[in-house]
This record gives sequence, C-alpha cells and structure tokens, in this order.
Amino acid sequence: GEDVEQSLFLSVREGDSSVINCTYTDSSSTYLYWYKQEPGAGLQLLTYIFSNMDMKQDQRLTVLLNKKDKHLSLRIADTQTGDSAIYFCAESTGNTGGFKTIFGAGTRLFVKA
Amino acid sequence: GAGVSQSPSNKVTEKGKDVELRCDPISGHTALYWYRQSLGQGLEFLIYFQGNSAPDKSGLPSDRFSAERTGGSVSTLTIQRTQQEDSAVYLCASSLGGRSTGELFFGEGSRLTVL
Repeated sequence: GEDVEQSLFLSVREGDSSVINCTYTDSSSTYLYWYKQEPGAGLQLLTYIFSNMDMKQDQRLTVLLNKKDKHLSLRIADTQTGDSAIYFCAESTGNTGGFKTIFGAGTRLFVKA
Repeated sequence: GAGVSQSPSNKVTEKGKDVELRCDPISGHTALYWYRQSLGQGLEFLIYFQGNSAPDKSGLPSDRFSAERTGGSVSTLTIQRTQQEDSAVYLCASSLGGRSTGELFFGEGSRLTVL
C-alpha cells in the first residue's frame, strides 16, 4: 500500500538553509506535494511537483524529486523564524477521475533566532 | 462557500456515545477527503469520495467509523461507540478532481475529545 515517511524534527538557525526529506513507496504517484501547517492553523499547499519533473524552484523553495529512489526533498533558503511550522510531504495517485492523497507524519521545523 | 467548513469545531463526548462530524466542501469540488490528526501520529487518511464513484474506505480504522456524502456535496463522518483513542482532530479537505493538480483545501478541523 501507499506509505510516506519523513523525519519528525528539524532545527536550524535563522538565515541557514533547511532541507526536509521524504520517501514514498508508490511508484505510480502522479503528483508530490509539500503542505505547511502553521501553529493553530490549517494545512495549506506550499508547493508541488509533477512526477515527470526532477526539480522545481519557487523563490526560496527548491523541490527535488528522485523518482528512482522515491525520494522528495524541500529546501528552504535563508530560513526565517516565520518558517517555523510543520511540513507535510504528500503523494497522490490518480488520473482525471481524481486523486487519492496520502500524507507523511510531518516534520516540525524549529528556527532559532 | 469560500472555503471548506467543518462543524462542530470542538466536541467533547463520553466514551460509548456516537458522534457526527460535518464537512461542507468548496462548491464545485468533486473530491472530498477525511483525515485524522493525532499528536505524534501525523495525518492519517480515513476515506476519500470522488464524484459518483464508490468511496475509498481503506483508511477507516474500524467498523465503528463510517462516512457518507449526500448529493455529491456535504459529508458526515460518524463514529459509533466512541473510545478514548478516537480523540483527535478530524480534518476534511476537498479538491477539484479531474484535470487539476490535486491540491487539497482543508477545513479548520473538528477537535474530538472522548472522556
């Protein structure tokens, strides 16, 4: 069955880069996502990558996908205290009929000033 | 509505009672999902509805859990004979389905506490 794994905690200093890693098992994944959950708030999509891409850059965010190893990473450049949150990796499988989305346990990012 | 709406936002119940949690998805979204978020357990998939297809119930933890979606819109998650381990935040999400990126839009959640 589908499974998504990620480390539970990451601590970085303000201004450093953060790298959050994720592995998944379903080789038929269509899209892979990073969602962000700030304290006391709901989950929101941060970025996503289509499974036939290997990199996507969006301002301070870089997503790398190694489809062979089923490994996804999120790099946040120049990490700020406002980036402190839980980051969820997710994968979806599906087609035009719809997508079933499975999430990892979430990585709690602590940013020290 | 503007976003996914869930009710109640907080529910405290006694062990053994039944509870119903409601989700009102974004208008026009054909897919609806229920997840459970517990401390240290991450986001656990429960059930997924897509259009008129049979729901994917593979994540429901026991037969005490059931969900329905009426008219392709509002969904109700029912937990019968609640147990203390059912205490969690129950999150509903909806998405466009079809030729979209599958982005999920989440509600604020229903926090369930079973005493």
